Amino acid sequence: DGGITQSPKYLFRKEGQNVTLSCEQNLNHDAMYWYRQDPGQGLRLIYYSQIVNDFQKGDIAEGYSVSREKKESFPLTVTSAQKNPTAFYLCASSIRPIVTGSGNTIYFGEGSWLTVV
Amino acid sequence: AQSVAQPEDQVNVAEGNPLTVKCTYSVSGNPYLFWYVQYPNRGLQFLLKYITGDNLVKGSYGFEAEFNKSQTSFHLKKPSALVSDSALYFCAVSHNAGNNRKLIWGLGTSLAVNP
Repeated sequence: DGGITQSPKYLFRKEGQNVTLSCEQNLNHDAMYWYRQDPGQGLRLIYYSQIVNDFQKGDIAEGYSVSREKKESFPLTVTSAQKNPTAFYLCASSIRPIVTGSGNTIYFGEGSWLTVV
Repeated sequence: AQSVAQPEDQVNVAEGNPLTVKCTYSVSGNPYLFWYVQYPNRGLQFLLKYITGDNLVKGSYGFEAEFNKSQTSFHLKKPSALVSDSALYFCAVSHNAGNNRKLIWGLGTSLAVNP
């Protein structure tokens, strides 16, 4: 089945440690996104990518990094510089980038929980 | 400032009754409007969207929404609620931001359908 796969579902990070969340899609979508969800704060955009080898900062990029070496994959690294990383992370994709005004729908993966211990 | 509001944190409705989840927006230009649903510990699922055309949009699971330009609203409705509709609902608005479009999200409304 086509879709967006995020792994792991649950991840624990120690202080000062970098961790990477995986996101893979087989929808042949050009654009991919990472959102952070905190209770009562809705969704906040971390990074997005319009095409392979491209990515742009979103609203809360500090302490995060991404890469887009393959169309299917858009991993997110939460670095030690991110002081409050405990949250639910959502990867998403759309056939064309939202920024281009296409009106395309964003589809989401099942999310990953990151907890600092 | 561009914004989208879901004025109710929680909506309670009895099973079988009609439900409404409200969304209002304040953006420049022509908005594109979206509704998503999120079940506990899951990702968001797309329900419906308005881009242009007929103001009444029908979507998944019997949901519909009406774009009201004069009231800048896009309320989500369903004629007869099911217990399984209990979830968190998000409204999102895509608007012009310079040369690009930007998607902004409401804070969500928790819907509880009581048997």
